[in-house]
Amino acid sequence: ETGVTQSPTHLIKTRGQQVTLRCSSQSGHNTVSWYQQALGQGPQFIFQYYREEENGRGNFPPRFSGLQFPNYSSELNVNALELDDSALYLCASSISGRSTGELFFGEGSRLTVL
Amino acid sequence: SQQGEEDPQALSIQEGENATMNCSYKTSINNLQWYRQNSGRGLVHLILIRSNEREKHSGRLRVTLDTSKKSSSLLITASRAADTASYFCATDAGGADGLTFGKGTHLIIQP
Repeated sequence: ETGVTQSPTHLIKTRGQQVTLRCSSQSGHNTVSWYQQALGQGPQFIFQYYREEENGRGNFPPRFSGLQFPNYSSELNVNALELDDSALYLCASSISGRSTGELFFGEGSRLTVL
Repeated sequence: SQQGEEDPQALSIQEGENATMNCSYKTSINNLQWYRQNSGRGLVHLILIRSNEREKHSGRLRVTLDTSKKSSSLLITASRAADTASYFCATDAGGADGLTFGKGTHLIIQP
């Protein structure tokens, strides 16, 4: 158990809809990052938030957006869902503003887009 | 895009044997990390090795890093059935680009 919690654990959406995924960081961690893991692949970096500001972003389109709140919890929003967005979405927290160092992952939210 | 490539993609060994997984990457790194994932669940951090280190141990785990060859290996000694999982290497290039993961090695320990 890492202390990072994600919700919901599973959800099904249809193409074109919007989804919000939530993450509570481990206590004392001020940085949260989000990763997308397609079936049979390794996780891919979406973006990172440090002190409520995005300070790093991977190769994902603008319809992937996020928020970090003063208590360091976070949301990942995906608009205009596409079939290829079906994946496990992983949230990770850490204690620095960069990705250097150990990441503590939640159990993920599995999104299916029909 | 995925920088790391783990080898082999799948490995099946008998309980008690040693398991070795390799990882190659393409760009300069600050550190390299290994993670474990059980059946589509969250990733668990195993070990981090910095670019100026060559070898690191943690319990039954031994990690080596060769920055000249841009490669790393993870050795699990005296394997147990509970070690069955997918193992990923991840590189940190030092920017704000997060970790770059490989596709993983799926390890099966036969009892």
